[in-house]
Amino acid sequence: TQLLEQSPQFLSIQEGENLTVYCNSSSVFSSLQWYRQEPGEGPVLLVTVVTGGEVKKLKRLTFQFGDARKDSSLHITAAQPGDTGLYLCAGEETSGSRLTFGEGTQLTVNP
Amino acid sequence: SAVISQKPSRDICQRGTSLTIQCQVDSQVTMMFWYRQQPGQSLTLIATANQGSEATYESGFVIDKFPISRPNLTFSTLTVSNMSPEDSSIYLCSVAVGARGDTQYFGPGTRLTVL
Repeated sequence: TQLLEQSPQFLSIQEGENLTVYCNSSSVFSSLQWYRQEPGEGPVLLVTVVTGGEVKKLKRLTFQFGDARKDSSLHITAAQPGDTGLYLCAGEETSGSRLTFGEGTQLTVNP
Repeated sequence: SAVISQKPSRDICQRGTSLTIQCQVDSQVTMMFWYRQQPGQSLTLIATANQGSEATYESGFVIDKFPISRPNLTFSTLTVSNMSPEDSSIYLCSVAVGARGDTQYFGPGTRLTVL
């Protein structure tokens, strides 16, 4: 099983601030997904990155896949209270469709 | 994408009993998975539900405790058997879609409390 370390585990910021969440591994992943989960719901897919060095933007969210496909970051600009939730990164193992999840980042954006 | 429903959404059960959770997808999918998630924590894969054959279980999970059925390409069940309070968790099913099968969509989860 490939491991994926996610940091920080908890993050509490004020509205308008910027933040970055990191996922790191010593293993190569075929692709990497980012999810956001709210209480009482299942994780909702935000983005999938496939190519090393790839950058994808989703409004105020910027996702980057490392050149070596071992790490990824999620950057949120001007965070809003609606961004509050559990953010999860998940790497697709090179052996197949199996996903390895990071530990998650619980983000709280205070108004 | 895929729309996934789970039943029940939550349940409170007595120690020693069993609960079967259903997962229904709105389209035919090859890969279905079952996960467990402690509140506020990440997801742990229980098993891959295979259509027409036995499920593939991850380390630490066994068929006697978590029997899984996959009668067709749109439906699967997970049973939590002989429950104990340690089984209290959120149980999620997911499906893998896309040309590469690398994108997973999740159901809303079943919140289980064992007394």
